[in-house]
Amino acid sequence: DTAVSQTPKYLVTQMGNDKSIKCEQNLGHDTMYWYKQDSKKFLKIMFSYNNKELIINETVPNRFSPKSPDKAHLNLHINSLELGDSAVYFCASSPGGTYGYTFGSGTRLTVV
Amino acid sequence: GQQVMQIPQYQHVQEGEDFTTYCNSSTTLSNIQWYKQRPGGHPVFLIQLVKSGEVKKQKRLTFQFGEAKKNSSLHITATQTTDVGTYFCAAPTGNQFYFGTGTSLTVIP
Repeated sequence: DTAVSQTPKYLVTQMGNDKSIKCEQNLGHDTMYWYKQDSKKFLKIMFSYNNKELIINETVPNRFSPKSPDKAHLNLHINSLELGDSAVYFCASSPGGTYGYTFGSGTRLTVV
Repeated sequence: GQQVMQIPQYQHVQEGEDFTTYCNSSTTLSNIQWYKQRPGGHPVFLIQLVKSGEVKKQKRLTFQFGEAKKNSSLHITATQTTDVGTYFCAAPTGNQFYFGTGTSLTVIP
């Protein structure tokens, strides 16, 4: 069983569209995250979320919004997609605190 | 967020040579983590260091945390082609980990 699963694996879409990426974890972890990895492989945290608190990195445009229907899911919704949004988006989870993160396999988003 | 710089950005080695990547912070870290990302893959957690001067080993990999807890290193002895990938350190701010810039390792057979 995949611990952290993301769908879709690849997403190609036009500028201006709205899209969502889904993430599910079956590890029972309390905290989930979204990271963006650009073409230079720099991993930038976008959000962290548990059932108590959402932390948004201040540099993330408000076109990006996390949605968590329950503790095992943290979806990423993106409005009005721009060319610069093209990247690989990783979902991750952890038990919280200073434990290591378990990453999903990533979603490669290409905006044309 | 936490700023951690890694050097070098890229490293090419002949198979069998050693490899080291360094992670440096301007502030004292409570702990530091290391991850490996294979080409086309996702980051995989390797280890966490917490104590000042801590040294941990995983087979050919040796991880160190500086005495001042402002730097860390990952050393690979006698690299193999399976070591290819990007190695990241990650440091916490609050309940979020900020990743270093990464070191991409290429191993030439």
